[in-house]
Amino acid sequence: KAGVTQTPRYLIKTRGQQVTLSCSPISGHRSVSWYQQTPGQGLQFLFEYFSETQRNKGNFPGRFSGRQFSNSRSEMNVSTLELGDSALYLCASSFAGTANYGYTFGSGTRLTVV
Amino acid sequence: EDQVTQSPEALRLQEGESSSLNCSYTVSGLRGLFWYRQDPGKGPEFLFTLYSAGEEKEKERLKATLTKKESFLHITAPKPEDSATYLCAVQAAYSNYQLIWGAGTKLIIKP
Repeated sequence: KAGVTQTPRYLIKTRGQQVTLSCSPISGHRSVSWYQQTPGQGLQFLFEYFSETQRNKGNFPGRFSGRQFSNSRSEMNVSTLELGDSALYLCASSFAGTANYGYTFGSGTRLTVV
Repeated sequence: EDQVTQSPEALRLQEGESSSLNCSYTVSGLRGLFWYRQDPGKGPEFLFTLYSAGEEKEKERLKATLTKKESFLHITAPKPEDSATYLCAVQAAYSNYQLIWGAGTKLIIKP
């Protein structure tokens, strides 16, 4: 059974650029959540998509956006990159997002903004 | 305000020295409490889900317990490969399935 796949694994971008990260959930999972993780802030929730609809949103500026496709694959986009956006971006998939099913994380995309 | 607090922030143990990690939470109604393990540079790995006070779950050297206010992750006779950051998260009953995460406990097991 394939796990959660995130691409790319590493990314270096220049301040002011934009970036798109991809997440392919476990087959059959309809919920995809995105997190930002930094050493100082821990896991910070960005947003969650369920059946192509954004169901939850964290406290991040509008430069951070996402979407989910009909096959449950999800992308997140960060526009006008800032140095502080350097982080490990993780996505997690779940069958329905409820506690009963748990969440499976990908290995993450390490974004470095220079 | 819903909150999850993990303690201690870091814990260093000798191999074989048992101990416990704490996750205290304040939510109005608990749907579930999750424990995850995270190795450096990797995504968190699911360990347990607990649903109600009194529940216990075990996996190898790990045992998770739950009360109405907190959860403990007991580590018995740990080995160096148990070194990792252990994360706790809760899902409130009234929430739209969103998880609230603790900051984690970094566990180091010395051989």
